[in-house]
Formats: sequence, structure tokens, C-alpha cells
Amino acid sequence: RKEVEQDPGPFNVPEGATVAFNCTYSNSASQSFFWYRQDCRKEPKLLMSVYSSGNEDGRFTAQLNRASQYISLLIRDSKLSDSATYLCVVNDGNTGFQKLVFGTGTRLLVSP
Amino acid sequence: NAGVTQTPKFQVLKTGQSMTLQCAQDMNHEYMSWYRQDPGMGLRLIHYSVGAGITDQGEVPNGYNVSRSTTEDFPLRLLSAAPSQTSVYFCASSPDSSYNSPLHFGNGTRLTVT
Repeated sequence: RKEVEQDPGPFNVPEGATVAFNCTYSNSASQSFFWYRQDCRKEPKLLMSVYSSGNEDGRFTAQLNRASQYISLLIRDSKLSDSATYLCVVNDGNTGFQKLVFGTGTRLLVSP
Repeated sequence: NAGVTQTPKFQVLKTGQSMTLQCAQDMNHEYMSWYRQDPGMGLRLIHYSVGAGITDQGEVPNGYNVSRSTTEDFPLRLLSAAPSQTSVYFCASSPDSSYNSPLHFGNGTRLTVT
């Protein structure tokens, strides 16, 4: 089983739609969780950290379910500029420091 | 601010050649790391450093060497290039090595080994 699993997509949605991605992780000792965004042929960029109580940043909402070991990202009112690959990232809970494990990403295509 | 700078952007090597991928950051970050990204595999950690003079292996270290003589620089050396090392390489840094410190990535180096 992969450490971090994501549905590769692509998710094709019209502008204005709401779309949600899920991600599951295997290491129950993992302590930090992130969503990164990666545009085609570009570097990953931090979209948001994911906190235990859930958190929101504008149109983006992230949730963490530790019991079921999954993380979700909800995008409301999708924009064309949201088209990208979204990477779920989890720290390796077996070390006390920064050692991140990346999912393979979920591709989102927003159309007019 | 330049952030994390990687050079070169593109490189083609023949099998057996060696080269160094350069990475520099100007944010005084303690933690630096190298990842490779291959289709369907996600980013995989090659080597990382929690400070000048300290390096350690990641998930896929074979065939690569690193050193960290200064806080700013973290070069990645390919000792004898192989076609399996064809990939996109990203250098990343973060302010410290705490587990909740997010990464800042460079633009990447696309390497082809023939």
C-alpha cells in the first residue's frame, strides 16, 4: 500500500462548480499535513496546511480525519486558474522532523 | 527575493558522465532537500540537510551525493549517470526542520540521460 494515495483524476468541472478531493495516508504517526498545488511543468507550491480542526482559506477548505486517516480539499466556485495538479503531502511520522511524503497528485481541469 | 534557485534548468547527459545540480537559497533556511519527480511516482526524497555540515539519506539516495558546506548551498552530485536517473529534480528548503515547516521549491532541473 502506498504511504499517501490520491485519485489521479482528471476531475473535469465547469467554472463555478464545487469539487472535492480526498487523500488517504497509511502512517498513523504522521503529524503534519499539507496540500500543494503544481502547475504543468512547474514546481509545487504550498496551497495550505491542514489542521486537526479543519481550516479554510478563501474558496479552499481542508479537513483532516485522523481516525480514518484521510485528508480532503474542497474548492468552491472553481476558477479557470484552479486548473492544476493538487498534491497531498504528509510528514513521515517515524521521524521527529521534516520528512515529507508526497502523493502522486489529483489533476483538476476547470472549463469555461 | 530570489528564493530557491536551481541551475541548470535543462541538462542532457550520456550514461557514465557525472555532473552537479546546483541549488542555492537566500532565505537563511536551515533545512534543504532534493526530490526527484517521475510520472506516476510522486516526489521522492533523495537527500536532505538539517543544517550546514549535516546531511542524510532520503528514500532514493543511490547514485547521488550531497554536501552542505554553507547554509545557502546544497549541490546534488550524480556520480555516474544512468538512464534511470532521467527525471525532474527539485530542490526545496524550509526555515527549520520541524515537522510542520512547509517547503519552498526551486524551479526544477529536467535531466535526460541517454
